[in-house]
Amino acid sequence: DAKTTQPPSMDCAEGRAANLPCNHSTISGNEYVYWYRQIHSQGPQYIIHGLKNNETNEMASLIITEDRKSSTLILPHATLRDTAVYYCIVRVGTGAQKLVFGQGTRLTINP
Amino acid sequence: EAGVTQFPSHSVIEKGQTVTLRCDPISGHDNLYWYRRVMGKEIKFLLHFVKESKQDESGMPNNRFLAERTGGTYSTLKVQPAELEDSGVYFCASSLRTGGRDTEAFFGQGTRLTVV
Repeated sequence: DAKTTQPPSMDCAEGRAANLPCNHSTISGNEYVYWYRQIHSQGPQYIIHGLKNNETNEMASLIITEDRKSSTLILPHATLRDTAVYYCIVRVGTGAQKLVFGQGTRLTINP
Repeated sequence: EAGVTQFPSHSVIEKGQTVTLRCDPISGHDNLYWYRRVMGKEIKFLLHFVKESKQDESGMPNNRFLAERTGGTYSTLKVQPAELEDSGVYFCASSLRTGGRDTEAFFGQGTRLTVV
């Protein structure tokens, strides 16, 4: 699986959009971009995933660049409960399904 | 619908003892995974079951760890004998499929294991 690079920490004001970047310059054509988050003392929580098109669900939006070498997770209206460590993970869409977690980005939402 | 449940939530045992962790996946999910985070480190994959078969056990640290999934429903992870470095949080996850749609993994709350 390709490696990802994320900033170790970010801050965002409550109510504003939180934009979390991720670089995955060695991503292969059959690898998807997944985002998970871990709120303190809980298990990781799935947020969203995509291959090459932008995706949106009730939690977030995922913007993938045309060359697929980077992506941005957008939380449109961040709340205090969005404070967590966010993980960007790339993996193939079929077959072996293990997730390779990096250090992630510790996002702090400030009141 | 119940999520992934893990038992116990916390366990404190002495070095050399045996501990068994249990995971109940979401009903209907054939894929079950074990992960763990030891102190200060990243979350690491341990193994993956498809029904009752071990699909990938490349992350199992050594032969003191034994995972089973009899009948393809719940799974157990036994550590025998436990060592101090086994302390950490053990997560279980399940997913409906491994390809196409519905591949996202849903995680349990984890079992915090402390070996003293």
